[in-house]
Amino acid sequence: GQQVQQSPASLVLQEGENAELQCNFSSTATQLQWFYQSPGGSLVSLLSNPSGTKHTGRLTSTTVTKERRSSLHISSSQTTDSGTYLCAIEMNYNQGKLIFGQGTKLSIKP
Amino acid sequence: NAGVIQTPRHKVTGKGQEATLWCEPISGHSAVFWYRQTIVQGLEFLTYFRNQAPIDDSGMPKERFSAQMPNQSHSTLKIQSTQPQDSAVYLCASSSWDWGGYEQYFGPGTRLTVL
Repeated sequence: GQQVQQSPASLVLQEGENAELQCNFSSTATQLQWFYQSPGGSLVSLLSNPSGTKHTGRLTSTTVTKERRSSLHISSSQTTDSGTYLCAIEMNYNQGKLIFGQGTKLSIKP
Repeated sequence: NAGVIQTPRHKVTGKGQEATLWCEPISGHSAVFWYRQTIVQGLEFLTYFRNQAPIDDSGMPKERFSAQMPNQSHSTLKIQSTQPQDSAVYLCASSSWDWGGYEQYFGPGTRLTVL
């Protein structure tokens, strides 16, 4: 089965609403990273958060390691937030490679 | 800081031809990773180097794919006898590999189309 599962697969919101994206993984994650990808664009690292809560700008990530889940909260969404959000984990410490989920496609309507 | 540089951005090859993709990591980063992205499979790990040494190539198709890192400033991914199923965006990433946590930073990718 899929080692990293993201939900929802797609999300449509009105500008100004908050978005909540979920990431669940099947094994202990020693590293967890959230990425943003615009249509046809490259991957942009948003947050590295293997455990606990981290904030940057309008983004908040909370990772509960023992429950093997992470969330990304986007407050006061803007149309420019539209794109795909990807969660990726490293399963063993120092293994290096990231395993990606299939992503959540976020669409923010004006 | 120019970020991770990948060239070419687009490459079109005929079936059976060779394709070489280039990656220049962020200066000072000691780890370089290669991934492949397709609509069907999503993002898949291919291989990575640390301090120029190959560490893990578990994601590489064995027969036609090879990767090298001859110096700390560039890595290449070579695909021999390209097939239509090799069409994908090939992404290179680098990280500083600090103990206690690190982040991978991605380049813009090379879109390979095999006709």
